[in-house]
Amino acid sequence: EADIYQTPRYLVIGTGKKITLECSQTMGHDKMYWYQQDPGMELHLIHYSYGVNSTEKGDLSSESTVSRIRTEHFPLTLESARPSHTSQYLCASSGVLGIYEQYFGPGTRLTVT
Amino acid sequence: AQSVAQPEDQVNVAEGNPLTVKCTYSVSGNPYLFWYVQYPNRGLQFLLKYITGDNLVKGSYGFEAEFNKSQTSFHLKKPSAHVSDSALYFCAVSDQTGANNLFFGTGTRLTVIP
Repeated sequence: EADIYQTPRYLVIGTGKKITLECSQTMGHDKMYWYQQDPGMELHLIHYSYGVNSTEKGDLSSESTVSRIRTEHFPLTLESARPSHTSQYLCASSGVLGIYEQYFGPGTRLTVT
Repeated sequence: AQSVAQPEDQVNVAEGNPLTVKCTYSVSGNPYLFWYVQYPNRGLQFLLKYITGDNLVKGSYGFEAEFNKSQTSFHLKKPSAHVSDSALYFCAVSDQTGANNLFFGTGTRLTVIP
């Protein structure tokens, strides 16, 4: 198992609430990623980061925002949750030179009621 | 643009039989290819990759994959399936930019029947 952690694992929250999904890795990786995945479906990249103070939007448009103030930490925030945000959110990291694969956290399953 | 196709949503195989999960790709330049496995309520686990070199790559849990440039394929194989191999399998290709973003296929659900 890779050393990448996500909290909470499960979250049920009402519409309009602000939420932050946490992601941390202890591998010293420069690159970090957020994916959105509906159950049993393909993954869509929503945000990524090359390193501290670097954030980019991915292929799937998302109302969420991210920050990268520390190498090990890459939180994702939804300012006002909606039922359409219900999904699984997976965090990943990579970055050791010559190692191209990404390592994934266990995911956060978000339900917005 | 990069893309990956997994033509089978579902693959069923009897325990002990060989298994194959298919993947074809489209990419400009040389491909970096990956296989991941996902168990219920878990993140993705890296199985194996092809970057360069030998076309047959070996990975975790007895899995292997064969890179075929002429057919633009990267099929996942295992000589003898176990019930514990039942999971969702994803093929992915890298865009080879500085971020090494991965583009995933739609996934194939493998069921190994005892």
